[in-house]
Amino acid sequence: GAVVSQHPSRVICKSGTSVKIECRSLDFQATTMFWYRQFPKQSLMLMATSNEGSKATYEQGVEKDKFLINHASLTLSTLTVTSAHPEDSSFYICSALTDPRADTQYFGPGTRLTVL
Amino acid sequence: RKEVEQDPGPFNVPEGATVAFNCTYSNSASQSFFWYRQDCRKEPKLLMSVYSSGNEDGRFTAQLNRASQYISLLIRDSKLSDSATYLCVVNRWTGTASKLTFGTGTRLQVTL
Repeated sequence: GAVVSQHPSRVICKSGTSVKIECRSLDFQATTMFWYRQFPKQSLMLMATSNEGSKATYEQGVEKDKFLINHASLTLSTLTVTSAHPEDSSFYICSALTDPRADTQYFGPGTRLTVL
Repeated sequence: RKEVEQDPGPFNVPEGATVAFNCTYSNSASQSFFWYRQDCRKEPKLLMSVYSSGNEDGRFTAQLNRASQYISLLIRDSKLSDSATYLCVVNRWTGTASKLTFGTGTRLQVTL
């Protein structure tokens, strides 16, 4: 149980375009999902916490107008990277909680974004 | 100072060796602790939770020292398949959700 999927797994886009990444909890409902970014040889950095039916909470230094998060249902959160630039190229990973107070997060397989 | 610090390695060890990883965390409000394993270009996977009493799962033993804010992972009888990056992770409740903070990871390479 507790499977999280992400789509797409890889995406290559031109600079200036927008890219949408989907994160789905397949066998459970997730009121809370998280979006992380990982640059090569660095740690996972939390970008934002996504709560179903409300606005996402962004970490310091993450531009909310650039990284749009929508958590419209209990099984789906989306991250849209708007006007992507080469420096946005990274590994984006989502995770979900089966319970808001749980401390075990279930991770999706990640999306590798390359912006040319 | 980083909230979670680990030696990045790499640790190169022969098969069968015992290897130990250490981690320190700076936020005393941290409530729960984990070791995750991450393979190259993959998502992190939970290896084990870490408790003050120490816990063991097969060849893996984890230990937490809250007073020193120190976490360890011991791998006995290393296998080739243990080669990966090991992430030290701490969790705290922000008031609205749990928040995980990851260390940069320690890379392990087990060789023949």
